[in-house]
Amino acid sequence: GAGVSQSPSNKVTEKGKDVELRCDPISGHTALYWYRQSLGQGLEFLIYFQGNSAPDKSGLPSDRFSAERTGGSVSTLTIQRTQQEDSAVYLCASSLASGNNEQFFGPGTRLTVL
Amino acid sequence: GNSVTQMEGPVTLSEEAFLTINCTYTATGYPSLFWYVQYPGEGLQLLLKATKADDKGSNKGFEATYRKETTSFHLEKGSVQVSDSAVYFCALRSNSGNTPLVFGKGTRLSVIA
Repeated sequence: GAGVSQSPSNKVTEKGKDVELRCDPISGHTALYWYRQSLGQGLEFLIYFQGNSAPDKSGLPSDRFSAERTGGSVSTLTIQRTQQEDSAVYLCASSLASGNNEQFFGPGTRLTVL
Repeated sequence: GNSVTQMEGPVTLSEEAFLTINCTYTATGYPSLFWYVQYPGEGLQLLLKATKADDKGSNKGFEATYRKETTSFHLEKGSVQVSDSAVYFCALRSNSGNTPLVFGKGTRLSVIA
C-alpha cells in the first residue's frame, strides 16, 4: 500500500515568509510525528499527534512553529516568519495506534530559507 | 532525559571490511532500541530493532545486541558492500506507549570498491 507522503518535496522561501508543509500518513495510522533533520543537529522530534488526544508539542523550537491534524489524518506543519536557521529537512512519520509500533517515515520536505 | 550518542562519522571502508558503529544511550526504564538507515536520496527506513535486554536485532547482514549493562547497541556487519553506503541513525523509544523516537546524530558510511 501507499507509504507516508509529504509535500512539497522542496521549498525555497525568503526570510520572514510563512510556509506550510503537508504530511499524508499511512491509512489507518492514528499516530503521527514530525521531526526535523538539520546539519549538526541530527534528527529532532518536533510534535506528536495520537488520535483525538491533545498533541505533544514539547519539541517545537519556538512559537513560530505550529501543527494541526485535520480529521485524524492529514497534518500540516506551519512555520511563521521563517528564519535561516529553520532550513532543514522536515520528516513526517506515522504508526499504528497502540503499543510499541514501528514508525514509517515519509521522504521529507527540504526547506531552504534564504 | 533520554539521549543517544553514536560515533561521529564519516566512516570510509573498503568493500568486505568489518563495520562497527558504536551507539550508547541514556534512558529511564527499559527503552526499545533501533537502527535506522537513510540511503542517498531516500527516506529513513528501519534497519533493525531490539525491545529488551540481550535481544539481538538483525537484518541484511547487520546485527546489534541490546546490552543493558553497558547501555549500548552497537551496529556491526561482517562484510560491507558498496550498496551499504548510507547514513545510519541509532534511536531509542520509551516503552510507555507510542512515544517519539530519540535519535543519535547519524553516522555517514561510505564503502569503496
